[in-house]
Amino acid sequence: AQKITQTQPGMFVQEKEAVTLDCTYDTSDQSYGLFWYKQPSSGEMIFLIYQGSYDEQNATEGRYSLNFQKARKSANLVISASQLGDSAMYFCAMREYSGGGADGLTFGKGTHLIIQP
Amino acid sequence: DVKVTQSSRYLVKRTGEKVFLECVQDMDHENMFWYRQDPGLGLRLIYFSYDVKMKEKGDIPEGYSVSREKKERFSLILESASTNQTSMYLCASSLVGGRNYNEQFFGPGTRLTVL
Repeated sequence: AQKITQTQPGMFVQEKEAVTLDCTYDTSDQSYGLFWYKQPSSGEMIFLIYQGSYDEQNATEGRYSLNFQKARKSANLVISASQLGDSAMYFCAMREYSGGGADGLTFGKGTHLIIQP
Repeated sequence: DVKVTQSSRYLVKRTGEKVFLECVQDMDHENMFWYRQDPGLGLRLIYFSYDVKMKEKGDIPEGYSVSREKKERFSLILESASTNQTSMYLCASSLVGGRNYNEQFFGPGTRLTVL
């Protein structure tokens, strides 16, 4: 079973509109972290936002916020007032902490977001 | 700023060749990772290392090996390259702890083509 599911392969959004990118996850760990990364066409992975499983408030970073619904195992990314430069692939990822060490991230398959003028 | 560099942006090799992909980070991070990225599959973890000379298998280690002789350098080795290893390879590093626990910083990627 997939640990990270992103159900939207692609999205078209008008500039200045808000965007919600869906992410659901599957874990039996109590301690985990959720990440969102942006990958423009140039290829670099850019960290956007992080939510810990014990964080009571939803994470926010500028125009990005994470709508964390723990009971539903949902961690949707919300981009307010979208801009043309937001066009990119967006990846949701999870780190499970129960094993300790330095386990890597488990990524979803990504959502290709295109902002239209 | 954290900087993660990879030795090549583009690489073309022939089937059966031994291939080295090098990654260097300049922020004294303990953890380093190698992922491959394929369209429609996202990123998948190949190997990671949490200390010099230490390595752990990720989700898809078959056909790969790694080396970490110095803290700042993590090498991915394809012993005998095959066409199904044509992919984008991304290196990442992270601290233990910090504001965003285990946030990973990525290099620019190496697009490897095996003919």
